[in-house]
Amino acid sequence: QVQLVESGGGVVQPGRSLRLSCAASGFTFSNYAMHWVRQAPGKGLDWVAVISYDGSNKYYADSVKGRFTISRDNSKNTLYLQMNSLETEDTAVYYCARDRCSGGVCFSHFDYWGQGTLVTVSS
Amino acid sequence: DIQLTQSPSFLSASVGDRVTITCRASQDISSYLAWYQQKPGKAPKLLIYSASTLQSGVPSRFSGSGSGTEFTLTISSLQSEDFATYYCQQLNTFPRTFGQGTKLEI
Repeated sequence: QVQLVESGGGVVQPGRSLRLSCAASGFTFSNYAMHWVRQAPGKGLDWVAVISYDGSNKYYADSVKGRFTISRDNSKNTLYLQMNSLETEDTAVYYCARDRCSGGVCFSHFDYWGQGTLVTVSS
Repeated sequence: DIQLTQSPSFLSASVGDRVTITCRASQDISSYLAWYQQKPGKAPKLLIYSASTLQSGVPSRFSGSGSGTEFTLTISSLQSEDFATYYCQQLNTFPRTFGQGTKLEI
């Protein structure tokens, strides 16, 4: 069965960096685009970034552009989110999610989600 | 960016009720819309995509309709496990955006 397991969250000071990982299993990871979505405490869902199946296409929310970098290692079935210059407003649970579209550079809805990892940015 | 506005933001209902949640887009998104359900402390779960296609395994009491700028999610007969927060999401352009959510309460 499809499994997505995030890790790397924790407490970090403003201005510092953190890297999140999402380990995928139960499907051919290299065939699918992958997303990061976050949710601040008590708030709604906020899309962060997407990477195509081969890493050739990446898109970001304006709020993280220039600070966050999405990447993937298809040999390790792992998705990453490098977060630099963190701000208190980045405090959230970060979810990775699989895009339903496969087999090419295409993007669709999110059919599987991980359980999330909490990032707290605080001095 | 495309904005999605859900109404209502809060909805009180009872088991057995029929409820409808509306999602309005700030511009035409054709049928590029999905609905998700989220329960407290859990990840979102896909319910409907392409505005009206039921995800495999989702009960048939859930249905979606609409195109262009106005969409609805309907639950025909509420069950206790349906009390949750519901989000719409547009899949037409980047950045992907979600509605603000509708919390369905007993």
